Amino acid sequence: GAVVSQHPSWVICKSGTSVKIECRSLDFQATTMFWYRQFPKQSLMLMATSNEGSKATYEQGVEKDKFLINHASLTLSTLTVTSAHPEDSSFYICSAPRQGSDTEAFFGQGTRLTVV
Amino acid sequence: DAKTTQPNSMESNEEEPVHLPCNHSTISGTDYIHWYRQLPSQGPEYVIHGLTSNVNNRMASLAIAEDRKSSTLILHRATLRDAAVYYCILRDVWGNSGGSNYKLTFGKGTLLTVNP
Repeated sequence: GAVVSQHPSWVICKSGTSVKIECRSLDFQATTMFWYRQFPKQSLMLMATSNEGSKATYEQGVEKDKFLINHASLTLSTLTVTSAHPEDSSFYICSAPRQGSDTEAFFGQGTRLTVV
Repeated sequence: DAKTTQPNSMESNEEEPVHLPCNHSTISGTDYIHWYRQLPSQGPEYVIHGLTSNVNNRMASLAIAEDRKSSTLILHRATLRDAAVYYCILRDVWGNSGGSNYKLTFGKGTLLTVNP
């Protein structure tokens, strides 16, 4: 079946540094991918929609200059958390629907970011 | 987006059936009812979806009320591996074209605990 892979699964970084998270669709092309953030004991919150070959669309309240999204190919989207701070520590999850599918979206396994 | 209401938590015993309810009284005629679940420290995974008729797959069954204002996800024999947060989500398939209409809005979901 279709698989979406995220890398890394977890990362610890120092405050002020940048971290890049990759999201790959392994056996299908994804012109659109979605990035979510989940704080402990809370639900997933959509951050942005990643569009292949064009600019990402950010949800209200999400800083586009802090969370840089690049969707350079039909199988890869990246999320870069710039100048990370402890409050950015969270579980980041990507998802991708199979193009043309009206059934399901596939989710990555998530990336646990801890900023110290 | 039409909203859904689910109990915060439910408890079941292993090998017994589980009925997870979801209310969606403001559902529109073009909204599909989707269920996803999230195991601890993982990304969500698709469970099942339907429009009007009851649906069955290898994971679960979905019973949809005749007026479509509520639905029930049925796990026929709960196992310890079914312990997760279950999300009931409405998705309008006649939204924007392409993959962008797969923007899923997650509520708080139901935390299912399965007792051995």
